[in-house]
Amino acid sequence: DIQMTQSPSSLSASVGDRVTITCRASQGISNYLAWYQQKPGKVPKLLIYAASTLQSGVPSRFSGSGSGTDFTLTISSLQPEDVATYYCQKYNSALLTFGGGTKVEIK
Amino acid sequence: QVQLVQSGAEVKKPGASVKVSCKASGYTFTSYGISWVRQAPGQGLEWMGWISAYNGNTNYAQKLQGRVTMTTDTSTSTAYMELRSLRSDDTAVYYCARAADFPYYYGMDVWGQGTTVTVSS
Repeated sequence: DIQMTQSPSSLSASVGDRVTITCRASQGISNYLAWYQQKPGKVPKLLIYAASTLQSGVPSRFSGSGSGTDFTLTISSLQPEDVATYYCQKYNSALLTFGGGTKVEIK
Repeated sequence: QVQLVQSGAEVKKPGASVKVSCKASGYTFTSYGISWVRQAPGQGLEWMGWISAYNGNTNYAQKLQGRVTMTTDTSTSTAYMELRSLRSDDTAVYYCARAADFPYYYGMDVWGQGTTVTVSS
């Protein structure tokens, strides 16, 4: 089974900072990767699919990149409402797997 | 609007079964599949499986094979997830989410509100 590893597991940054989260697949998955945001006590929300395509309605400060085994989610200017846990998910096959999550907090 | 509405919270004893429902509205039910995802207290997201509402095809996470069954009722646009032989570590919030059938899958774009299942003696 392909494993998805996210790093860091948590981070603290200031409002306006550029934040980067990494997701690594144990085998190549082309660009079959999605990113989700889960705010505290809320339902997960799809942010990005196909590694870099922004879901409708998602602010443009969010971006995704990568292909193969290494992927990144970037928040260009961190906002207070971005406090959440972020998950990557691979979907190169019908057996889906989430990464362990990255908790983002405001410093 | 497109929404998924799940059934209410459940409390079950170890060894029992639970069946969670997920009623879809606002879109053509058979044009998408439904994924099920669970989240244990304080933990991350765990994908449980997926069912096509078009043809009933399923894929289950290996660790749940043999204990989980996903079904749909197209007449009521409702998906169901049944988990058997419950253990304490099945205590979690269970989510259904809309997902396009493979090979058109692009992520889970609409989520239910979650159903809390507590397994306790």
